[in-house]
Amino acid sequence: DTEVTQTPKHLVMGMTNKKSLKCEQHMGHRAMYWYKQKAKKPPELMFVYSYEKLSINESVPSRFSPECPNSSLLNLHLHALQPEDSALYLCASSQVGGTGEQYFGPGTRLTVT
Amino acid sequence: AQSVTQLDSHVSVSEGTPVLLRCNYSSSYSPSLFWYVQHPNKGLQLLLKYTSAATLVKGINGFEAEFKKSETSFHLTKPSAHMSDAAEYFCVVSRIQGAQKLVFGQGTRLTINP
Repeated sequence: DTEVTQTPKHLVMGMTNKKSLKCEQHMGHRAMYWYKQKAKKPPELMFVYSYEKLSINESVPSRFSPECPNSSLLNLHLHALQPEDSALYLCASSQVGGTGEQYFGPGTRLTVT
Repeated sequence: AQSVTQLDSHVSVSEGTPVLLRCNYSSSYSPSLFWYVQHPNKGLQLLLKYTSAATLVKGINGFEAEFKKSETSFHLTKPSAHMSDAAEYFCVVSRIQGAQKLVFGQGTRLTINP
């Protein structure tokens, strides 16, 4: 099974709302990632978890809060977002070490109003 | 430091004709190189990968790429384009031994004309 799943597919939220994005993989991967992708641009790395511990934070604003409850799940908690945070949020997973390829989920399309 | 340059932001071909998407890379280490495809409003799908084995790499959906160290290139080709190939394609480099940061090219949008 090479599938990464993400929920919800679409999310509309106001600037005062709190919401969460969820990601799940069952490939036995121990590295998981959050990316943000704006239209017509490549994905931008936000966070990396390795063995369920946060290993990379790419200077992301604190209104984005990641969480890795176990080796299969990754959450992204959202609070007090700005309209410019509207984007496609992609989750990915990979082996730690190995040849480096990452497997991506279908993404959550987030709109902040 | 590593970098990736996709030489064309947009490529347009007719259905049934060959596809060539060009990618040059820069890396201080032996790299892993990947091509990903992204259809509109979808996630990224791994097309193929080079990891220091054979220099000609075959991927899914009839795509292949050739690693040329002397030219620092990793161009993606397909002999005959299909309408379903219309998408955004990203050339990506990673340090071998699985560094957890991928470096993406800016993408090439492939359009297929009937």
